[in-house]
Amino acid sequence: GAGVSQTPSNKVTEKGKYVELRCDPISGHTALYWYRQSLGQGPEFLIYFQGTGAADDSGLPNDRFFAVRPEGSVSTLKIQRTERGDSAVYLCASSMDRVGTGELFFGEGSRLTVL
Amino acid sequence: SQQGEEDPQALSIQEGENATMNCSYKTSINNLQWYRQNSGRGLVHLILIRSNEREKHSGRLRVTLDTSKKSSSLLITASRAADTASYFCAPLPHGGGGSNYKLTFGKGTLLTVNP
Repeated sequence: GAGVSQTPSNKVTEKGKYVELRCDPISGHTALYWYRQSLGQGPEFLIYFQGTGAADDSGLPNDRFFAVRPEGSVSTLKIQRTERGDSAVYLCASSMDRVGTGELFFGEGSRLTVL
Repeated sequence: SQQGEEDPQALSIQEGENATMNCSYKTSINNLQWYRQNSGRGLVHLILIRSNEREKHSGRLRVTLDTSKKSSSLLITASRAADTASYFCAPLPHGGGGSNYKLTFGKGTLLTVNP
């Protein structure tokens, strides 16, 4: 597609439920990033993929969070046993630059609300 | 911390005035990028300045970089109401250890341009 696509744009769930957020990067971009942004804060790094592998998942807050990118394109961020503190906008970005010196292209984000 | 810290946190000006935002960082960098985020939207890349560059222009944007002071500034000239947004700087760390891909963001500068 023309840009990074994220679905759903909004997700409301109850505490304890499982959630999946999807990111469809720009075609041909090998690098994919997930960030989380709380109100009034900047984006917080979660995980980075280079191709199919997670090159750095040091930003994932705990083992309830997991992300996959099985074919090196679409990625899914999975959150188990959601908590109210997980409420945030989850941003996905992609880049064509393998050595990380180029710009990131961001999606519009998935707003997650945990009640 | 590898993230940039933007200053001021908030800036309110009148249309037609210039807006200057500053960024400080702590590590040696490969490049530094500026992004804009309109309310409720994803981040949009504005400009990238490499560590061996001192100044760069793009339309009404002027970015400077002083690696000796570990600081950068973003100047928007002849501001418009549509420039109202949050602005983030993102220094890309230089060097090995696999960290030269990870952009981290501060809280940003919230710019309000009043018509």
